[in-house]
Amino acid sequence: ETGVTQSPTHLIKTRGQQVTLRCSSQSGHNTVSWYQQALGQGPQFIFQYYREEENGRGNFPPRFSGLQFPNYSSELNVNALELDDSALYLCASSLTGNNYGYTFGSGTRLTVV
Amino acid sequence: KNQVEQSPQSLIILEGKNCTLQCNYTVSPFSNLRWYKQDTGRGPVSLTIMTFSENTKSNGRYTATLDADTKQSSLHITASQLSDSASYICVVIPFGGGYNKLIFGAGTRLAVHP
Repeated sequence: ETGVTQSPTHLIKTRGQQVTLRCSSQSGHNTVSWYQQALGQGPQFIFQYYREEENGRGNFPPRFSGLQFPNYSSELNVNALELDDSALYLCASSLTGNNYGYTFGSGTRLTVV
Repeated sequence: KNQVEQSPQSLIILEGKNCTLQCNYTVSPFSNLRWYKQDTGRGPVSLTIMTFSENTKSNGRYTATLDADTKQSSLHITASQLSDSASYICVVIPFGGGYNKLIFGAGTRLAVHP
């Protein structure tokens, strides 16, 4: 059984650029959630994907968008990067209906300069 | 407003000593409460998961307790090791809220010194 895999592990982008982060869900999981974690803070929910559709969204602007693919993997896209977007981006996968299986990936550290 | 508050914000202890981290929440009703360990720059790893009807759950040297009446949870670490240095995050899932409504505390940063 494989865990949640995120890529890349680190990334440096310039303000105004666009970025795509990737997440492969744990085997058997069909739901993917994305979180932003600023330094010294708890994770903040961005959105969740289930059956290739957005299934809930946190307080993030539309320039944060995502996709889920038929194999349940997911992408997080951020357009027009701002300095405040610098953070650890976490992906978590789960199986809808299972209240216990919720696994985080190791995250992607994004730095916007 | 549903909130999860953790204390202390940071803690320094000597290797081999015990410590207790606190989590107070206002989420009600809730489905389960979780404690995660997060190493710097890494994703959170689950330590314990407790439903609202459970009082205690252990995972090796980690023991979590839950008092649903006072809405408090604690994580006790026994015989600390240098590798316990990390942030410990308390997370509450509201009843019927689904995973898009996980409520995270800001975490307690623990440093274990030799």
